[in-house]
Amino acid sequence: DGGITQSPKYLFRKEGQNVTLSCEQNLNHDAMYWYRQDPGQGLRLIYYSQIVNDFQKGDIAEGYSVSREKKESFPLTVTSAQKNPTAFYLCASSALRTGDQETQYFGPGTRLLVL
Amino acid sequence: SQQGEEDPQALSIQEGENATMNCSYKTSINNLQWYRQNSGRGLVHLILIRSNEREKHSGRLRVTLDTSKKSSSLLITASRAADTASYFCATDGYAGGTSYGKLTFGQGTILTVHP
Repeated sequence: DGGITQSPKYLFRKEGQNVTLSCEQNLNHDAMYWYRQDPGQGLRLIYYSQIVNDFQKGDIAEGYSVSREKKESFPLTVTSAQKNPTAFYLCASSALRTGDQETQYFGPGTRLLVL
Repeated sequence: SQQGEEDPQALSIQEGENATMNCSYKTSINNLQWYRQNSGRGLVHLILIRSNEREKHSGRLRVTLDTSKKSSSLLITASRAADTASYFCATDGYAGGTSYGKLTFGQGTILTVHP
């Protein structure tokens, strides 16, 4: 089945700890995105990548880092500099080079909690 | 800043009734999309309407777009309990050019359909 997966479903972070959220897609999409969602809120863009080995900051990049070494993978690291990391994190992808380029396909999300 | 703002924030109706949600945005756009999110899950794309379109249908969904008022509406006809979810509008915000897939989401409307 084609799709986008995120792991883990739940993640617990201790003070001062970096944690990495996984995002993998087998849709052969060029672009990938990370969003943060707080309770009762919309999605805010953290980072996005249009091509391998290239990525740009979104609206709330501080305290986060990403890499895009493979087309299929776009991991997000929540660093200790992110002082309020508790949120629901959503990864998405889109095909920039087809007629359906604007539609984004979302993973099931990772809920990050601070211990 | 949020590009799209949904109204109402919450909507509660009975099965069989129609549900109408509205979205307003601030800048010119190439297209506007509506997504659905079940509680604790990822978003699912519902429909995309381009800036040169005024109305679009997909099954029980009807979307309108008024670029002069910078607003859109989503109508769900003959609602079902399974339609209970949050609904988000998303805009690309780059009229006449390419947004490289980058979207800005509103804060969403929570729809509850009672059986």
